[in-house]
Amino acid sequence: AQSVTQPDIHITVSEGASLELRCNYSYGATPYLFWYVQSPGQGLQLLLKYFSGDTLVQGIKGFEAEFKRSQSSFNLRKPSVHWSDAAEYFCGMNYGGSQGNLIFGKGTKLSVKP
Amino acid sequence: GAVVSQHPSRVICKSGTSVKIECRSLDFQATTMFWYRQFPKQSLMLMATSNEGSKATYEQGVEKDKFLINHASLTLSTLTVTSAHPEDSSFYICSARALAGRADTQYFGPGTRLTVL
Repeated sequence: AQSVTQPDIHITVSEGASLELRCNYSYGATPYLFWYVQSPGQGLQLLLKYFSGDTLVQGIKGFEAEFKRSQSSFNLRKPSVHWSDAAEYFCGMNYGGSQGNLIFGKGTKLSVKP
Repeated sequence: GAVVSQHPSRVICKSGTSVKIECRSLDFQATTMFWYRQFPKQSLMLMATSNEGSKATYEQGVEKDKFLINHASLTLSTLTVTSAHPEDSSFYICSARALAGRADTQYFGPGTRLTVL
């Protein structure tokens, strides 16, 4: 069955430090992959997406993610975290269902220490 | 571009009343809109998928008579929680999938916090 796993429930990093949020997927072919960010009480904002082509994708707010087929992973990275990056991050997968439904991981909460 | 709005952002109602939540795609036409429910500190749970002009497709376990969905145009979908009860209190988020160009990406609204007393 298709699934998305975010192994880390909560991560704390210091401001200015680098960040990597993990995402693994289960699907028999190459899915469409997304990262969204959610601030408290808000909807989801699209950070970046991967459909095909270059496996390193750039997104907004200085984020990037790398698709690794061999590891079934799509990890999100940022070289230097800002306090405003504190939020919940969701990895999502569209496995090509006709309706374009998304499957989400359970989310990773990012806290940023001053 | 790709802005989705929801109204209201927050609603408090008495048990037994019905509440309507609107989801609008402001600068694009959406073939499909999705309704999610999110419990505190949890991920999003897909409730239903709605296509303009046709009946919504509900996920297993979601009561279609309780959560009425109408997708009257390519820019508007509504979710009506009928005879709301305290257990329906939650954060409801909609998303819209573009008609063309960005057809494989969902854009999310800001969410509606429903509290049923």
